Amino acid sequence: DAKTTQPPSMDCAEGRAANLPCNHSTISGNEYVYWYRQIHSQGPQYIIHGLKNNETNEMASLIITEDRKSSTLILPHATLRDTAVYYCIVRVWRGSSNTGKLIFGQGTTLQVKP
Amino acid sequence: GAVVSQHPSWVICKSGTSVKIECRSLDFQATTMFWYRQFPKQSLMLMATSNEGSKATYEQGVEKDKFLINHASLTLSTLTVTSAHPEDSSFYICSAGHLVHEQYFGPGTRLTVT
Repeated sequence: DAKTTQPPSMDCAEGRAANLPCNHSTISGNEYVYWYRQIHSQGPQYIIHGLKNNETNEMASLIITEDRKSSTLILPHATLRDTAVYYCIVRVWRGSSNTGKLIFGQGTTLQVKP
Repeated sequence: GAVVSQHPSWVICKSGTSVKIECRSLDFQATTMFWYRQFPKQSLMLMATSNEGSKATYEQGVEKDKFLINHASLTLSTLTVTSAHPEDSSFYICSAGHLVHEQYFGPGTRLTVT
């Protein structure tokens, strides 16, 4: 699976949009981009995933560049509860069974400030 | 939504003893579960893939005789840390695949070996 690069830390003002970048320049055509977050001392939480189209759900939006070499996770209105480590992971989707392992990098520590 | 539980949430044991950690998928079946460990201020490190009805697959550098994994049913995987030592003190997290793309993580088990 392709490697990802994320900034180690970012700050965001409460109520503003948080834009978290991720570089995955070696991504291949059958690899998806996944985002998870981990709030202190808890298990990671799934946020969103995408292949090449932009995606949006109730938590966030995922913008993937046309060449798929980078992506941005957008939290539209960050709250203090969004303070967490955010992980961008690239992984091959192995057909209909979800047995692919997730390899975590160092992630981005997002600090939302009042 | 899909829920994964772990038991116990924390455990303290003496050096040389064994500790069993349970991971359950509460409202879905999982043929594959994953075990991670996380040291303070570090990312999650995948230890092994737990396969229902067959042997676990361990990541390079993980001692299979020390970290025994049993996936007895489609909703339960256990990790036993045998002959625990202080350096095994860590945060252990399991996950299970649900639907096609999403993996859900347990809340983690904090192990302290004295």
